[in-house]
Amino acid sequence: DAKTTQPNSMESNEEEPVHLPCNHSTISGTDYIHWYRQLPSQGPEYVIHGLTSNVNNRMASLAIAEDRKSSTLILHRATLRDAAVYYCILRDMYSGAGSYQLTFGKGTKLSVIP
Amino acid sequence: NAGVMQNPRHLVRRRGQEARLRCSPMKGHSHVYWYRQLPEEGLKFMVYLQKENIIDESGMPKERFSAEFPKEGPSILRIQQVVRGDSAAYFCASSPQQDDYGYTFGSGTRLTVV
Repeated sequence: DAKTTQPNSMESNEEEPVHLPCNHSTISGTDYIHWYRQLPSQGPEYVIHGLTSNVNNRMASLAIAEDRKSSTLILHRATLRDAAVYYCILRDMYSGAGSYQLTFGKGTKLSVIP
Repeated sequence: NAGVMQNPRHLVRRRGQEARLRCSPMKGHSHVYWYRQLPEEGLKFMVYLQKENIIDESGMPKERFSAEFPKEGPSILRIQQVVRGDSAAYFCASSPQQDDYGYTFGSGTRLTVV
């Protein structure tokens, strides 16, 4: 199974951009990079996903390195409501169990300072 | 459009009792996934169900745990003869199809075994 590595924790000031890194050096060609976040006492929430190109949506941006061995989730202006654990997950959409089993690591706990 | 509904939010059981956790997927979603989050750990896949079918139960403990998703009604995760080690947060997610990119999770059921 391809694995991801994320920092345990990060801090950001409110209204500043946040860059959350993820390393996935053993990523395979069919692995999609997914990000979820989990607010306190809530279930995980889908944030964004990508394969090769950078992606933007209303919640965040995803920057994927050219060799795909790392990626960065970008929150453009952190708010207090963005304080959560952020998970970077690889998902092989063409591989049976790999396409529907999400493998959650420890994630990065983001604290937002007012 | 209501999200994934899980109930109860909190459940306390004495050792040896049965726990029944319910999950109503989003409208139009026929795929349900259950995950367990032990204290201070990441979420772990338990089981994947479609209506009236168990597709993959490779993450379920072999004994005391069972899951169903009947033609009518919510999906049920059943834990018989609970033990202290079953204390955890149990989350379910749903999707309209297996390879949907973003799963929608419920807020979870927090089971405490006393």
